[in-house]
Amino acid sequence: GDSVTQTEGPVTVSESESLIINCTYSATSIAYPNLFWYVRYPGEGLQLLLKVITAGQKGSSRGFEATYNKETTSFHLQKASVQESDSAVYYCALGRRNYNQGKLIFGQGTKLSIKP
Amino acid sequence: NAGVIQTPRHKVTGKGQEATLWCEPISGHSAVFWYRQTIVQGLEFLTYFRNQAPIDDSGMPKERFSAQMPNQSHSTLKIQSTQPQDSAVYLCASSPRTGGALAEQFFGPGTRLTVL
Repeated sequence: GDSVTQTEGPVTVSESESLIINCTYSATSIAYPNLFWYVRYPGEGLQLLLKVITAGQKGSSRGFEATYNKETTSFHLQKASVQESDSAVYYCALGRRNYNQGKLIFGQGTKLSIKP
Repeated sequence: NAGVIQTPRHKVTGKGQEATLWCEPISGHSAVFWYRQTIVQGLEFLTYFRNQAPIDDSGMPKERFSAQMPNQSHSTLKIQSTQPQDSAVYLCASSPRTGGALAEQFFGPGTRLTVL
């Protein structure tokens, strides 16, 4: 079936250091998946961080980037220099492009803590 | 824009009792999704509606769980004869369109259900 696997947390990074959270997916029943990163900041609801719908393209938001790599079935999240405000739980997700298939399949989430 | 509203935020039930969870999607959104989050299983899709019609309930447990969307302003998730394993955070999300290139889902704060 379809699934998403991401870096097992918790992950702790010092402020201003670089970050990578790995995400790989298996989309056996989805020919052209859409890929997403969602984030939950402390005390807030789950919200979209970035999305990419075309293989080979990169999405970016709030200093984060992720490239949709169809060959390696990966969608790693990266940031060159993290800030304390980036402390949150990050979820990688995939969805179908078909109009009638709107559900998202999430990874298990990665809790990120930034040391000041 | 109040975002997706979920009530109650917390619910405690005794084993065997019924629980009804409510969701008010963002005004004008045509799709409503229900997810369940537990530590063991992570974030799992349950069911979704588009224009109030049920589209995909592949994630719903076959027994005791049902969902409805009687009008465009609210959806309910009902769990009959609740069991301790139903304890979870139930998330509702809405989307202005399903599938396709703009399948961003906007999540509510969730309802934490505890079954004693």
